[in-house]
Amino acid sequence: KNEVEQSPQNLTAQEGEFITINCSYSVGISALHWLQQHPGGGIVSLFMLSSGKKKHGRLIATINIQEKHSSLHITASHPRDSAVYICAVRPIYNQGGKLIFGQGTELSVKP
Amino acid sequence: SQTIHQWPATLVQPVGSPLSLECTVEGTSNPNLYWYRQAAGRGLQLLFYSVGIGQISSEVPQNLSASRPQDRQFILSSKKLLLSDSGFYLCAWSPPGRGVGNEQFFGPGTRLTVL
Repeated sequence: KNEVEQSPQNLTAQEGEFITINCSYSVGISALHWLQQHPGGGIVSLFMLSSGKKKHGRLIATINIQEKHSSLHITASHPRDSAVYICAVRPIYNQGGKLIFGQGTELSVKP
Repeated sequence: SQTIHQWPATLVQPVGSPLSLECTVEGTSNPNLYWYRQAAGRGLQLLFYSVGIGQISSEVPQNLSASRPQDRQFILSSKKLLLSDSGFYLCAWSPPGRGVGNEQFFGPGTRLTVL
């Protein structure tokens, strides 16, 4: 079993829908990252969380440390949100800032 | 502000040929540096990380090697490429130290095809 599991693996939504992507992990962590990878391959860091909730525009990320779970929400989704969303955690035992990555969730938003 | 560069952007190489991918970071000192690979249809895999000049940690056994000849330069190399080395190679950096604030920032990537 992977240390970081994301669900769903693939998601198709209509423009305007509310989207939720989930991430569960099995190790103690000091931080959790949500990343966005566009079709060309470039990766952008969306959020880094260690507790609670963060919001940036239409994106909201939450984390529950006790339940070892995080969610990424997209409100009023748009076709330009189509990308792969990757959850990554930094284990407490980590050295040098290493991350463990989930397999990613491929989101397609249709107009 | 900090920027991270990778080159080349794309590369097609024959099996058995050597490889050298370069990553440089500007606007910061003593960053942690990372090389990741993303094979087709798979998640990101950490290959190497470095916390300082000449300090390289390898995460997976393979025919690749990494070097950090300067503070903000990270090089990924191979003497003989294999077909299985094809993939998307990403370099990333994070601020020095191990604090929670060590967000990672990714370069644009190099798409390597080994034929």
